[in-house]
Amino acid sequence: AQSVTQLGSHVSVSEGALVLLRCNYSSSVPPYLFWYVQYPNQGLQLLLKYTSAATLVKGINGFEAEFKKSETSFHLTKPSAHMSDAAEYFCAVSDSIRGSTLGRLYFGRGTQLTVWP
Amino acid sequence: GAVVSQHPSRVICKSGTSVKIECRSLDFQATTMFWYRQFPKQSLMLMATSNEGSKATYEQGVEKDKFLINHASLTLSTLTVTSAHPEDSSFYICSAPPPRGRGNTEAFFGQGTRLTVV
Repeated sequence: AQSVTQLGSHVSVSEGALVLLRCNYSSSVPPYLFWYVQYPNQGLQLLLKYTSAATLVKGINGFEAEFKKSETSFHLTKPSAHMSDAAEYFCAVSDSIRGSTLGRLYFGRGTQLTVWP
Repeated sequence: GAVVSQHPSRVICKSGTSVKIECRSLDFQATTMFWYRQFPKQSLMLMATSNEGSKATYEQGVEKDKFLINHASLTLSTLTVTSAHPEDSSFYICSAPPPRGRGNTEAFFGQGTRLTVV
């Protein structure tokens, strides 16, 4: 079974500070891992993904995440927060790499990021 | 990249009426579509998987008669909320698996539909 745990439903940082959003996963097969961002009343935008290539993944808007198999973690970071980063962030895992279930995702509960001026 | 178009983006309906939400894959064929529901301040939960040419597969606890899913063609999947009630108010979003042969490894999401039942 696949599951995702996001530690901390709310994270607040000052503009320019480091952003760290935590994600731990559970998967019975080598996982594909994703981070999505959601702005109010909008759909999901893919930030970055891990698909068994490089363990340090760089995404859009200066975000990156590191896959650590030993810790079953995929934490999202950004060196310097911007006001526009304020949004809801979801970590997700996919257990399939082929077939019709590819794309079925298991989401964490989400982390609301607040950025203070 | 592949595009999934979802309509409407917002809908307000009266209690007891039905609402249809459409998801279209614009530049690829989607034999499967995933439908998720997101309650306020919560995560997205998979409701069902629609399959072109066959019955949808529903997750445990999801009422099949209330949430009718039809995958009419290789580019269109619809979710109909029948006899809607205020507790059905939520954000519904669809996604399609990556098209074969393009090397994509992530799903493509629609823009989502905010349903409010009054």
